[in-house]
Amino acid sequence: AQTVTQSQPEMSVQEAETVTLSCTYDTSESDYYLFWYKQPPSRQMILVIRQEAYKQQNATENRFSVNFQKAAKSFSLKISDSQLGDAAMYFCAYRHNAGNMLTFGGGTRLMVKP
Amino acid sequence: DTAVSQTPKYLVTQMGNDKSIKCEQNLGHDTMYWYKQDSKKFLKIMFSYNNKELIINETVPNRFSPKSPDKAHLNLHINSLELGDSAVYFCASSSGRAPTGYTFGSGTRLTVV
Repeated sequence: AQTVTQSQPEMSVQEAETVTLSCTYDTSESDYYLFWYKQPPSRQMILVIRQEAYKQQNATENRFSVNFQKAAKSFSLKISDSQLGDAAMYFCAYRHNAGNMLTFGGGTRLMVKP
Repeated sequence: DTAVSQTPKYLVTQMGNDKSIKCEQNLGHDTMYWYKQDSKKFLKIMFSYNNKELIINETVPNRFSPKSPDKAHLNLHINSLELGDSAVYFCASSSGRAPTGYTFGSGTRLTVV
């Protein structure tokens, strides 16, 4: 069974600096999708970025980028130029081929200090 | 112009009651889901459903049942509510043909007293 692990329950970053959130996963599939979701206090789940496993190039969305290491089964999220609005829970997720379901990691709470 | 809408946003009810949460999506997606987020923020899939197949997470009690009147709706019905059912329930949808990100509803906070 696929599992997703986020080893950092909480992280803190100074405004305008860079922070990296870690995620590892376990799977026997060769083709899959990975996602990072943001959940602010409003509890809305917001897609931040996605990565297709067959693509070697790391995905980038403005200030958000990933470091995808397929062999190591690692999928970290880097947030550059952190802003106060980035403060939220961040969830890493793995998409199963069967049923298209997502398995989530336990989440990392990111705090941004002004 | 909400893409995935859930009602109600908050639900407080007594143990033993039966309740339903409604979900509608206007994205034309072919697959809908229910996820449960517990008090520790852990998110877990409950159901995946399209017009061909229902996949149930084996850990979900059979008191929970999804009901889909059509492709745009997937309601969650819960019988004999228990204290442990208190959580936030999220509906989501996606297109199976193009596995992009999922669109989530805003969640329903269920409190069983």
